[in-house]
Amino acid sequence: DFVLTQSPDSLAVALGERATISCKSSQSVLYSGNNKNYLAWYQQKAGQPPQLLIYWASTRQPGVPDRFSGSGSGTDFTLTISSLQAADAAVYYCQQYHGNPSFGQGTRLEIK
Amino acid sequence: EVQLVQSGAEVRKPGESLNISCESFGYRFASYWIAWVRQLPGKGLEWMGIIDPIDSETRYSQTLQGHFTISVDKSINTAYLQWSTLKASDSATYYCGRLYHSGDPFVEFWGQGTRVTVSS
Repeated sequence: DFVLTQSPDSLAVALGERATISCKSSQSVLYSGNNKNYLAWYQQKAGQPPQLLIYWASTRQPGVPDRFSGSGSGTDFTLTISSLQAADAAVYYCQQYHGNPSFGQGTRLEIK
Repeated sequence: EVQLVQSGAEVRKPGESLNISCESFGYRFASYWIAWVRQLPGKGLEWMGIIDPIDSETRYSQTLQGHFTISVDKSINTAYLQWSTLKASDSATYYCGRLYHSGDPFVEFWGQGTRVTVSS
């Protein structure tokens, strides 16, 4: 099974600053057949369903602000929010879909 | 506009059965797999399984399978999550979602969630 570990569990970042969330997989999610990383990122605000931000590790979902970016390959991935806005306060989850799908435990992002 | 509309909150006793629904609008229902995801109170997301509306092929999470059933009625564009014998530990919010168009198992569109409370 693929185990995803996110870090940190929570962080507080000031408005306009950069926020970085890490997601590490116990196995590579890179599929050699198409050179794609089978990893997605979601944002979940309080009392709402999750929203898809990023898929294939770095492809931004249409409508997602370009301050959100995903990077990494294999087992190590990063979600970066380049200039934090108040609306970005949420819990962020990574999800792998290379094997049986699974999520990371989530990272709570607060505004400092 | 793609929308997935889930049935309302439910309260049941342990041992009772339950069926919650997820109706899809704004796209060709048969063309996209549907997923169910669980969120225990105050906890993270857990993948439960997916279903192909065309032929009802179902793929369950190896971690969670055995206690619930995923089904679909393509004539009314609706997917279901069913329990025959609820446990208190089934108390959670359940989300349905439409997978990405490639069929890869990540969720592009989400329902609003259905809160299920199981308590004696």
